[in-house]
Amino acid sequence: EVQLVESGGGLVQPGGSLRLSCAASGFTFSIYSMNWVRQAPGKGLEWISYISNSGSTIYYADSVRGRFTISRDNGENSLYLQVNSLRDEDTAVYYCARALYLDVWGQGTTVTVSS
Amino acid sequence: EIVMTQSPATLSVSPGGRATLSCRASRSVTSNLAWYQQKPGQAPRLLIYDASTRATGIPARFSGSGSGTEFTLTISSLQSEDFAVYYCQQYNNWPPLTFGGGTKVEI
Repeated sequence: EVQLVESGGGLVQPGGSLRLSCAASGFTFSIYSMNWVRQAPGKGLEWISYISNSGSTIYYADSVRGRFTISRDNGENSLYLQVNSLRDEDTAVYYCARALYLDVWGQGTTVTVSS
Repeated sequence: EIVMTQSPATLSVSPGGRATLSCRASRSVTSNLAWYQQKPGQAPRLLIYDASTRATGIPARFSGSGSGTEFTLTISSLQSEDFAVYYCQQYNNWPPLTFGGGTKVEI
């Protein structure tokens, strides 16, 4: 079964950091580009970062550039998002999703930024 | 950045009825458009990609059409499990990948 499973979310104070993980299974992870997409409570979907299959090409949304870092380990079939300098507005469910038309999604991990 | 605009924001339809959802791009995205369904508490699910190709396992009552800047998702004969929020997303001019604001299909 093709599956993505996120982890690493939690409650963090403003200015804090977390490392989100996304474990892939059931497909050849190394041939697919990957993305992180988030959804604030009661809001729509916001793309935040992309990484190519090899990791050589990376893009960020303006809202997170300089604070978030995407990476991957193809040997471990895992995608990561290091989130630093967290703000209240980063509170959201964070999803990993495969390819450009996001054909496979994880169940999401919740990040809550609050003092 | 390409802005995606969905209409209406909410669509009221009876079970067995037909739903027509619209998505407009601020400039051409050719056919590089996807549609997603999201139910409360769940991750989005890909329904349609390349504007009109159904994803694996998606019932034939879901159909997509359009190209350029105007797109439509049609759900014929709505089932109870189809009441959800639907998003369009372009992947033609990126980054960023951009989503519409969503259309809620309700009874």
